[in-house]
Amino acid sequence: QQPVQSPQAVILREGEDAVINCSSSKALYSVHWYRQKHGEAPVFLMILLKGGEQKGHEKISASFNEKKQQSSLYLTASQLSYSGTYFCGTADANHNNDMRFGAGTRLTVKP
Amino acid sequence: NAGVTQTPKFQVLKTGQSMTLQCAQDMNHNSMYWYRQDPGMGLRLIYYSASEGTTDKGEVPNGYNVSRLNKREFSLRLESAAPSQTSVYFCASKAFRIGLLVPATDTQYFGPGTRLTVL
Repeated sequence: QQPVQSPQAVILREGEDAVINCSSSKALYSVHWYRQKHGEAPVFLMILLKGGEQKGHEKISASFNEKKQQSSLYLTASQLSYSGTYFCGTADANHNNDMRFGAGTRLTVKP
Repeated sequence: NAGVTQTPKFQVLKTGQSMTLQCAQDMNHNSMYWYRQDPGMGLRLIYYSASEGTTDKGEVPNGYNVSRLNKREFSLRLESAAPSQTSVYFCASKAFRIGLLVPATDTQYFGPGTRLTVL
């Protein structure tokens, strides 16, 4: 089953913050976050594993709450380059090599 | 390293025609995947191959077949194309995860995509 992402779309001004959420109905083993620019392939941002860890890449970080089967992506002080569609991919404990993606969140950062 | 390559980049078919999409990776990954991406639908898994010699159905396998030719190559075949198969197709690969052992880079690397239109 595909994870559910929210919101579907976000419009920000440069410097503003955003949170993108990803939830699953299945017990998760890992959550992966990707960003896709228009007309390009998805590009990996980060992976979170069971254990509720939080990771960061520059001003983009993420958390994983395995009990709630949820992950959130935090974009701080957004830049124009952050624009794109963000996808979460989830792998559950029983299907280690089968990853499903959410429908995506379209993020637009304006000057 | 080229990473993940796909051919062709664009293709237009008529209903009922057949074609094969090719995918190759040079990262020595065991697992390979085929996704389709439709507007507003995100990426949906068609088929995957966890390791050479195995293939499994994903969410939307109907109308497609796959072949894991060797460790590097994973092809997707449309036997009788339908307009509903108009989409962008992405191939991806990653290292194989065994049980709870997660490789340091347990992530999927995507190819550039094939834009397919079926008339």
